[in-house]
Amino acid sequence: KQEVTQIPAALSVPEGENLVLNCSFTDSAIYNLQWFRQDPGKGLTSLLLIQSSQREQTSGRLNASLDKSSGRSTLYIAASQPGDSATYLCAVNIQGAQKLVFGQGTRLTINP
Amino acid sequence: GAGVSQSPSNKVTEKGKDVELRCDPISGHTALYWYRQSLGQGLEFLIYFQGNSAPDKSGLPSDRFSAERTGGSVSTLTIQRTQQEDSAVYLCASSLQGRNSPLHFGNGTRLTVT
Repeated sequence: KQEVTQIPAALSVPEGENLVLNCSFTDSAIYNLQWFRQDPGKGLTSLLLIQSSQREQTSGRLNASLDKSSGRSTLYIAASQPGDSATYLCAVNIQGAQKLVFGQGTRLTINP
Repeated sequence: GAGVSQSPSNKVTEKGKDVELRCDPISGHTALYWYRQSLGQGLEFLIYFQGNSAPDKSGLPSDRFSAERTGGSVSTLTIQRTQQEDSAVYLCASSLQGRNSPLHFGNGTRLTVT
């Protein structure tokens, strides 16, 4: 059974810092991996999707990497801003199924 | 453009009553998903629709839960004889091409069973 873990559960950093969020998964047979952000009381917003054959994806200040063999992904946020404060979730699309398996998320706070 | 729309945004119901939750996906999106998010829990997959194919119902927690998607567009999730443990945020998502495309989520329906 695929399990997704995100560490840390919460992170607080001053504005302007670069930071890394971690995601690990137990079964490397994944189809792709997505990173989302969730603001309080809202749904999820897709940030980046990495196919299993890819090593990384970039969008603006965000860069996500994928090491399928070791079951790890990282989300790098450059020059953090208070507007980046949210919960960040990673999710893997498992082979042979259409569903995403989500981690519990990392609650990120950027302090002005 | 319009995103995924869910209604109602909040629903309070008494234990034992039936409820219907509605999802309007993004126009042209062939795939539609329902997930449930409970306090302290991660997101839990419920059901997946893709075009005219038979839905993947493997995540439905009991036979009190059912969902349909009419005309390949609007979907309704029905919970019969609600229980307190059904209290959660029910999230709908759609994507252009199933798992090959990013998922777009609605803001959810917060269900409270008293």
